[in-house]
Parts: sequence; C-alpha cells; structure tokens
Amino acid sequence: QVQLQESGPGLVKPSQTLSLTCIVSGGSISSVSYYWTWIRQPPGKGLEWIGFISYSGSTYYNPSLKSRVTISLDTSTNQFSLSLTSVTAADTAVYYCAREKSDYNGDTFFDYWGQGTLVTVSS
Amino acid sequence: DIQMTQSPSSLSASVGDRVTISCRASQTISNDLNWYHLKPGKAPKLLIYAASTLQSGVPSRFSGSGSGTDFTLTISSLQPEDFASYYCQQSYSLSKTFGQGTKLEIK
Repeated sequence: QVQLQESGPGLVKPSQTLSLTCIVSGGSISSVSYYWTWIRQPPGKGLEWIGFISYSGSTYYNPSLKSRVTISLDTSTNQFSLSLTSVTAADTAVYYCAREKSDYNGDTFFDYWGQGTLVTVSS
Repeated sequence: DIQMTQSPSSLSASVGDRVTISCRASQTISNDLNWYHLKPGKAPKLLIYAASTLQSGVPSRFSGSGSGTDFTLTISSLQPEDFASYYCQQSYSLSKTFGQGTKLEIK
C-alpha cells in the first residue's frame, strides 16, 4: 500500500521560503508512469494544483506560481520536495503531496494523497 | 487555464438520499474528469476517474457520467461517512484545475 506523508515547518515568516518534503513509502518514486505532485488548499477555499515532477526529473508548474516554485526529487531517500519563495499570507494553506498516475488508457488521476500539512505565513 | 465550475457549492441531505453534484468545464475536456472526496484531517480519496470509472475499493453507490463539458457525480444512497466535500478535477491539460468544491452536510 503506497503512503505519502508531508513534513516541514508549520509557520513561515513573510518573504521567506516555504520548504516541505513528502516521504513516499510502499512504492518507488523512480517508477515510470507516476508524477509526484503538490496541491494546496487555502482556508475556506478550493484546491489549487501547484505542480509536478516526473520519475525522470522533468517538472511542470502552475503558471500563476511558476516564478516562485521548485519541486525536486531525491531517489536515494524516496522523497520529493517543494520550495516556494517570497511567501505572503496568501500562501497560507494546507499543502498536500499526491501521486498522479497515468494508466494504460492514458487516463491520469491522483490516486494517492498525503493527509496534508497546514502552513501558516505570519510574522 | 481550463475553468471548472461545480454546483451546488453546498447541499443538505439525509442518510439514504440520492444526491447529484454537477461540474462544468470552460472548454471540452473529452472524458478527462476525476472526482475526489475530502474530509478535514484525512487524505483526500479518489472516487471516479475518466468521468465514469469507479476507483478500486470505492462503493458502488458512487457513479459518474458525462463527457465534453458537462459531468455529474451521483451518490445513490447516502451513508454517514459520505458527508464531506467533493471536488471535480480536469486532467485534459498539463496544468490541472479543480472545481471550487461541494460541501455535503447532514440535514
């Protein structure tokens, strides 16, 4: 059974960098057909897709966040990470990591998620 | 970006009721539409993918339909564990987008 678990600081000061890690267990992060993804949900709002990194290290980011986001992969520890620079109060959210699967039909969907971690941006 | 619009934004219902949630895309997305169930403090759960395919392990009271721009999630007989928030998500474009969510509450 694949499991994902987010970890990182729950409080970040404005203008600083938010850094989170997702530890993947029960499956290899190097497997083909998976895209390792970050998604967030601001309080009282809907879900926002942040971006993904593939097993090979290719990345794609939400255009609205692209200038501030970096997602990286560490195959030696089976984890991937999110870095979001120059944060403001608008970046306060529950941050989820998820696995996007591409099946044999070409359908893609988020089949496994972490429980989420609340990050508050405040001085 | 492809915009996803869900309705209603909230819904009150009773155990045993049949409920329907709608999702509309701002452009055609074929059948590239997924549905998720969210509860606070828990990992979100995939219910339906490719508009109508039930994810393994999901009860058969959940069903999805639609293609193009209009999609529907139906729960045939609500159970206590179904009271949560539901989100649609398009996987047609590389840049994924979600609907704004539907909160299903106990009447």
